[in-house]
Order: sequence, then C-alpha cells, then structure tokens
Amino acid sequence: EAGVTQSPTHLIKTRGQQATLRCSPISGHTSVYWYQQALGLGLQFLLWYDEGEERNRGNFPPRFSGRQFPNYSSELNVNALELEDSALYLCASSLGGEIETQYFGPGTRLLVL
Amino acid sequence: GQQLNQSPQSMFIQEGEDVSMNCTSSSIFNTWLWYKQDPGEGPVLLIALYKAGELTSNGRLTAQFGITRKDSFLNISASIPSDVGIYFCAGRSGGSNYKLTFGKGTLLTVNP
Repeated sequence: EAGVTQSPTHLIKTRGQQATLRCSPISGHTSVYWYQQALGLGLQFLLWYDEGEERNRGNFPPRFSGRQFPNYSSELNVNALELEDSALYLCASSLGGEIETQYFGPGTRLLVL
Repeated sequence: GQQLNQSPQSMFIQEGEDVSMNCTSSSIFNTWLWYKQDPGEGPVLLIALYKAGELTSNGRLTAQFGITRKDSFLNISASIPSDVGIYFCAGRSGGSNYKLTFGKGTLLTVNP
C-alpha cells in the first residue's frame, strides 16, 4: 500500500513569489495535516483538513493557506514568500481526526532566495 | 501557547550504550507521542502514551507518561547504529484541540 506522497521534493522560489505544495494521503484517510519544519525549530503545526474542510489552524499568517480536494488530496499555498519560509514542509494523513496515528510523507523542501 | 522543552538537543554515544531523553511541558497533555525521523524522510511514530503513569515498550524502546502529565521520557537500550536519527516528542491536549505540539528534537549519533 502506498504511503503519503508529496510533490515536488524540492522547490526553489524567490522572495515575494507564491509556492504550491501537494500531498496525496494514504488511501482511505480523510484527514490531512500540514507541518513546517524549520531548522532547529521542530515541527510546527500549520493546518488540518478533513472531509474537504479546514478543521484547525496553527499560528501562521493568512498567506499560508490550503485546500483539500474531493479525493482527499491537499494543496498548501504560501503567498508572498519570505526568506524565513525556507523549511521542510511535511504532510501527514490519518483516518478522520485520528491525529495520534498520522503517517507522514517525506516532505517538500522549500528554499526561498 | 504550549511549549515543549526536549532534552538533550543532541547525543553522541557508543554502540551498546543506553540512551535517555525527555520532554517537559508548560501545560498538561492527554497524549504523549514519540517519533523518529531519518534523514530525508518524515517522522515515524515509535510509541504512543495515553494515560498518566503509563509505561510502554516497543522492542528496545521504552517510554513513560509522567504522572504530572507534563512530562514524558524515552529510553533506548543497547543502542545500535540504525538508531541514529532525530527523536521528537509530541503532546496533545484534550478536547477538540486536534493539534500536536512538538519538541525541537534530540539528534542521536551512535558510534559503531
């Protein structure tokens, strides 16, 4: 069974641009979670989607947004990129709301120049 | 907001040694989780703890949910080279707060 997949693996943008990151959950999982892992800061919770709806949001500015599609895949959009947005962005999926049993993807490494 | 202090930040040990790491929180958690992250991969769940005082093992790994509900410990016995990686603790408070708070990680290096 395929795990959580993310694309692209690496993304290079310049300050002020927009970035779109994609995530495909494990088949049967309806919840998708997004995290930012900046160097030395651990994982910071960004967003939780379930059944197409945003269920919870971390302490990030509105330029971090996303959506979940009917097939439960998800996009994370980061507008007006800033240098400090450079990080590994991890997506995880679980059965509805069962965050304790989430499975992580390999991440997208975003570099903002 | 909730904060998790994870220590130590890094450890360099010899193969065969035992390892201990811990996390403390400024507030109470109802669930404690321990993850391991290998280079280039996402974190993988090692142990989940759901009750204060709970002691759970997974092979050579043992974790405990502190009785104050503000701390948790992870021990690795007889370390081997493949134990190398970053270990994260994470906590979840109760209610409808479906959000995990993560520690900053412990980087473990095992010298063969």
